[in-house]
Amino acid sequence: AQRVTQPEKLLSVFKGAPVELKCNYSYSGSPELFWYVQYSRQRLQLLLRHISRESIKGFTADLNKGETSFHLKKPFAQEEDSAMYYCALSSLGGNQFYFGTGTSLTVIP
Amino acid sequence: GAGVSQSPSNKVTEKGKDVELRCDPISGHTALYWYRQSLGQGLEFLIYFQGNSAPDKSGLPSDRFSAERTGGSVSTLTIQRTQQEDSAVYLCASSPLAGTSNQPQHFGDGTRLSIL
Repeated sequence: AQRVTQPEKLLSVFKGAPVELKCNYSYSGSPELFWYVQYSRQRLQLLLRHISRESIKGFTADLNKGETSFHLKKPFAQEEDSAMYYCALSSLGGNQFYFGTGTSLTVIP
Repeated sequence: GAGVSQSPSNKVTEKGKDVELRCDPISGHTALYWYRQSLGQGLEFLIYFQGNSAPDKSGLPSDRFSAERTGGSVSTLTIQRTQQEDSAVYLCASSPLAGTSNQPQHFGDGTRLSIL
């Protein structure tokens, strides 16, 4: 079965501190991994995807197939990073998406 | 339109009633997805449409749930004989092309459904 686990429901860090949001997955095929973000009173939106190997708003995420992880990292958290973050998985070229339960990040000024 | 539009934004109804939720995707988007977000839960995948067809309906929680899409555009999610456990936010998303999961999904604001 496909499954995405985000172990932390709530995460608080101070402004300027590094932040890491954890995501582990279980999937038998070739997965595609994503991070979606929902800021207060805004729609859920794509933050980044592993195939793009890009850095968005200072965030990066590396797919570690050995550890089946796709942790989201940022070296220096900003107040505007406070939001709900969802890790998601899809099969390569597939149409079904599986989301984790989300991590609510609060960056303390 | 500018984005995915869902209606109504809020729906309160009595247990046992039928409800219909509507999703208007971004024009030209082939793929359309329905999710359910319950309190304290992640996004639960319900169904997706590739054009007007739904290749996999196994995500629907029960036979009280059904969805259709006409004209490759608007989709409706119908819940019959609603139960209190159906209370949730129902999110719709669309993406430009089906079969390529690297297409980002564009989400609507959702419909908050409350069953009394």
